Amino acid sequence: AQSVTQLDSQVPVFEEAPVELRCNYSSSVSVYLFWYVQYPNQGLQLLLKYLSGSTLVKGINGFEAEFNKSQTSFHLRKPSVHISDTAEYFCAVSTGGGNKLTFGTGTQLKVEL
Amino acid sequence: EAQVTQNPRYLITVTGKKLTVTCSQNMNHEYMSWYRQDPGLGLRQIYYSMNVEVTDKGDVPEGYKVSRKEKRNFPLILESPSPNQTSLYFCASSFSLGRKETQYFGPGTRLLVL
Repeated sequence: AQSVTQLDSQVPVFEEAPVELRCNYSSSVSVYLFWYVQYPNQGLQLLLKYLSGSTLVKGINGFEAEFNKSQTSFHLRKPSVHISDTAEYFCAVSTGGGNKLTFGTGTQLKVEL
Repeated sequence: EAQVTQNPRYLITVTGKKLTVTCSQNMNHEYMSWYRQDPGLGLRQIYYSMNVEVTDKGDVPEGYKVSRKEKRNFPLILESPSPNQTSLYFCASSFSLGRKETQYFGPGTRLLVL
């Protein structure tokens, strides 16, 4: 079975500051990793995903994440955040086959002026 | 436009009154899933389907039923809703070909059971 831990439930940050949202996973087999964003009162939007290849993955809206197999982590980063990045961010893991995503509990990113 | 649609988007009902939330996708995906989202718990999978007439339980299947009679539709059925099923529900469809995996989520259905 796989699991995902998002260590921070809330992350406040000032606009134009860098941010890192942490995600650790546990699995006995190879995994695919995802970050989703949920804006207030909206559905989930895929930010980026790691399936194979380069461990540094670039996504939409200037976000990137790095897969670290030895530390079983997939932290999300952005060098300079904007007010519009205020949202909840979910890390998720899959072992393939498209049938099951296991989600973390989410990190609420609040960008302040 | 590729999309997953859910209906209704909002629903208030009473304990014990059967309801169905519909989900439809236009991408010819084999896989479809239902998730519920609760504060502090993230999203948890209720049921999933790998193809027509093939369904299986996810992490929190109690109190729910699903069916997959057509590839594009995957309705979620609550035979006798209870207040602990008050939640935000998401349907998702996915296409997995080798390692090119893509998941699409519907807009969500907010359910309140009184």
